Amino acid sequence: GNSVTQMEGPVTLSEEAFLTINCTYTATGYPSLFWYVQYPGEGLQLLLKATKADDKGSNKGFEATYRKETTSFHLEKGSVQVSDSAVYFCALKRAGNMLTFGGGTRLMVKP
Amino acid sequence: GAVVSQHPSWVICKSGTSVKIECRSLDFQATTMFWYRQFPKQSLMLMATSNEGSKATYEQGVEKDKFLINHASLTLSTLTVTSAHPEDSSFYICSAPSGPPDTQYFGPGTRLTVL
Repeated sequence: GNSVTQMEGPVTLSEEAFLTINCTYTATGYPSLFWYVQYPGEGLQLLLKATKADDKGSNKGFEATYRKETTSFHLEKGSVQVSDSAVYFCALKRAGNMLTFGGGTRLMVKP
Repeated sequence: GAVVSQHPSWVICKSGTSVKIECRSLDFQATTMFWYRQFPKQSLMLMATSNEGSKATYEQGVEKDKFLINHASLTLSTLTVTSAHPEDSSFYICSAPSGPPDTQYFGPGTRLTVL
């Protein structure tokens, strides 16, 4: 079946540090892949997505590349800010618009 | 972007009672909505797909008689937790697709605590 595995948190970084949050998936075929972010007290928001192999999704300085050979979709940002502190979820889309989420990774950025 | 609201944002109830949670799409119509459950420090687990004008589709292992879903209109889906027990305490989140392909909008969630 479909599943998503992402690194456990929390991840604690200093401002301006480089961020990587690993995400790997198991799926039939080549599903669309997503990163969602959940800020404290708010609903999940789509951060970026990629719909086919080698696609790179990017938004707000975050990037992730769809790697079918390693079944991965790692999230990266070159210089994090305190405002990036949130929980990040990797997800894949199943048939019918249904999403399968990874376990979530809490990021804490210190000034 | 599109907005999805949930009501209430939190609720506390006694064991054995029923609780209704509403999910509304405020500025778009949604023939489909999704209900998720999120345990503390864990991921979202899809419970069911709510379909306007027809029965909900439940994920394997989700008790349909316990978690009643009604998609009353193109902007409203409700989840009723019947005969709630403490183990039903959780964060319930809804979402609805809208706009560009693969785009879903999530509600802010409802925290249910069953005493």
